[in-house]
Amino acid sequence: AQTVTQSQPEMSVQEAETVTLSCTYDTSESDYYLFWYKQPPSRQMILVIRQEAYKQQNATENRFSVNFQKAAKSFSLKISDSQLGDAAMYFCAYKKTTPLVFGKGTRLSVIA
Amino acid sequence: GAVVSQHPSWVICKSGTSVKIECRSLDFQATTMFWYRQFPKQSLMLMATSNEGSKATYEQGVEKDKFLINHASLTLSTLTVTSAHPEDSSFYICSARDGGRDSNQPQHFGDGTRLSIL
Repeated sequence: AQTVTQSQPEMSVQEAETVTLSCTYDTSESDYYLFWYKQPPSRQMILVIRQEAYKQQNATENRFSVNFQKAAKSFSLKISDSQLGDAAMYFCAYKKTTPLVFGKGTRLSVIA
Repeated sequence: GAVVSQHPSWVICKSGTSVKIECRSLDFQATTMFWYRQFPKQSLMLMATSNEGSKATYEQGVEKDKFLINHASLTLSTLTVTSAHPEDSSFYICSARDGGRDSNQPQHFGDGTRLSIL
């Protein structure tokens, strides 16, 4: 079964600085999808960024970018120019045709 | 596009009552719906997967008689927590996608339901 591991339960970053959240996963598949979701205190699940495994180019969405290392099965999220509104739980998730499998999450605090 | 509406957002009820949570896809056909449960400060745990018109598939450890799932149409799935007890208190989130079992379509999430059993 696929597993997703987030080894950082909590992280903090100064406003306007850059932070990287780590994620590793385990799969025997060659084609799959990886995601980062943000869950603010409202508990909505907000899709931050998505990466298709067959694409070598790292996905970017404005201040959010990923470092996808397929051979290492690593999928880290970089948040640049951190803002107070970035404070939330961040979940890494894996999907092929199965439902999304989530990591345990990283709680990000942004310090003003 | 791809909006999932979940209702109610918060419910408080007495122990022993049954509670129904609705999940609707507003602008797409939700061939497959997923129900997750989230305890405080924990991740989302998949409870069950339902396909329109067929019985739900429950994850190991989830009591199907306790958590009744109905997916009678392409836009609506319901989760009924029967004879709810305080240990059933949790945050329940539905998710929906177009396409069947092998679909690569993205999952879209409702805003969740906070269930509190007194």
